[in-house]
Amino acid sequence: GDSVTQMEGPVTLSEEAFLTINCTYTATGYPSLFWYVQYPGEGLQLLLKATKADDKGSNKGFEATYRKETTSFHLEKGSVQVSDSAVYFCALSDSSSNTGKLIFGQGTTLQVKP
Amino acid sequence: GAVVSQHPSWVICKSGTSVKIECRSLDFQATTMFWYRQFPKQSLMLMATSNEGSKATYEQGVEKDKFLINHASLTLSTLTVTSAHPEDSSFYICSAWTGGNYGYTFGSGTRLTVV
Repeated sequence: GDSVTQMEGPVTLSEEAFLTINCTYTATGYPSLFWYVQYPGEGLQLLLKATKADDKGSNKGFEATYRKETTSFHLEKGSVQVSDSAVYFCALSDSSSNTGKLIFGQGTTLQVKP
Repeated sequence: GAVVSQHPSWVICKSGTSVKIECRSLDFQATTMFWYRQFPKQSLMLMATSNEGSKATYEQGVEKDKFLINHASLTLSTLTVTSAHPEDSSFYICSAWTGGNYGYTFGSGTRLTVV
């Protein structure tokens, strides 16, 4: 079945550092790809998405490009802030069914220090 | 737009009792809702897919008699944890497909603690 693999955390950075969180996927079809962010004690918020190969999703300085050839959707930000500290989840929409369910990676905790 | 309201945000219950969690779509109709469970510092695991007016579809390994899901209207889905035990303590999150730019919208989650 479809699956998502993220780099393990926690990732600890200083403010204004460059961020990369790796995400690779396995899918039999053509899934849409997502990045969600979860702040402590809260639900998930959509950060960005891409629906087809070579699409670039971007939001709040974060961006990720749907790379079909490498089956990747790495999250990047040029200059992180303390307020970016959260757990980030890469996800794909299940391409093997019509239910629309999401399959999540294990999550990567980002800690940004001032 | 595309807000999903989930209540309660946290609940503590005694072992053996049942707890109901509500998930409402506030400004759209949600034909399909999803229920996830999240263990501390772990990812979200899909428990079941809830379809309005029909029986929920449970993922493998999820006890449907323990986790009762009802989706009686296009704006409300409920998850009832029956005869709760401490191992049911977890963070439960619902979501709905809203389409367009919002995609999947998530509730704020419910922290269940069974003592």
